[in-house]
Amino acid sequence: AQKVTQAQTEISVVEKEDVTLDCVYETRDTTYYLFWYKQPPSGELVFLIRRNSFDEQNEISGRYSWNFQKSTSSFNFTITASQVVDSAVYFCALSENNAGNMLTFGGGTRLMVKP
Amino acid sequence: EAEVAQSPRYKITEKSQAVAFWCDPISGHATLYWYRQILGQGPELLVQFQDESVVDDSQLPKDRFSAERLKGVDSTLKIQPAELGDSAMYLCASSLGGAFTDTQYFGPGTRLTVL
Repeated sequence: AQKVTQAQTEISVVEKEDVTLDCVYETRDTTYYLFWYKQPPSGELVFLIRRNSFDEQNEISGRYSWNFQKSTSSFNFTITASQVVDSAVYFCALSENNAGNMLTFGGGTRLMVKP
Repeated sequence: EAEVAQSPRYKITEKSQAVAFWCDPISGHATLYWYRQILGQGPELLVQFQDESVVDDSQLPKDRFSAERLKGVDSTLKIQPAELGDSAMYLCASSLGGAFTDTQYFGPGTRLTVL
């Protein structure tokens, strides 16, 4: 069975601080994809990144970076020099080869960036 | 940039009334999903369509919920009768295909409040 755990329910930082959001997943499949979505107060889920299980290279996109480690089943997300506009709920999600196209979401981490 | 459209954005209704939500996916996307997101939790899949056919509705409470995608484009999700526990955000998503590798793109959601 698939499972995604985001142990941090809420994080509060001051603007310009770096912050890391943790994601741990469970799967029996060797082929799977991991995703991060951002949900601002407006409610829409915004796609941030997709990573397949065979690509463990870290990825950087501007102030965002992702660290994928199969050895620890983790796919962590770091925001460098956080900004107030980064305040949102962030979700990690998993799709598995043996589960069709069903996305299993974690419970989300609410990030609050204070000025 | 193409987006998933949903309406209404907000809906307040009394229990035992009927409600309906509409979704228009990104043009060319064959797969459409309806998710329910309870406050403080991640989204959970209700139903998945491939073109006009239902692929997965195992989590849809069929005694009161129905979904259709008659022409394989836009879709309607209906609840009749609504219950207090149905208060949630209802999110629509679409993807190019139905493979687990495909990224799902989400609409702004409909926030339902049942009084």
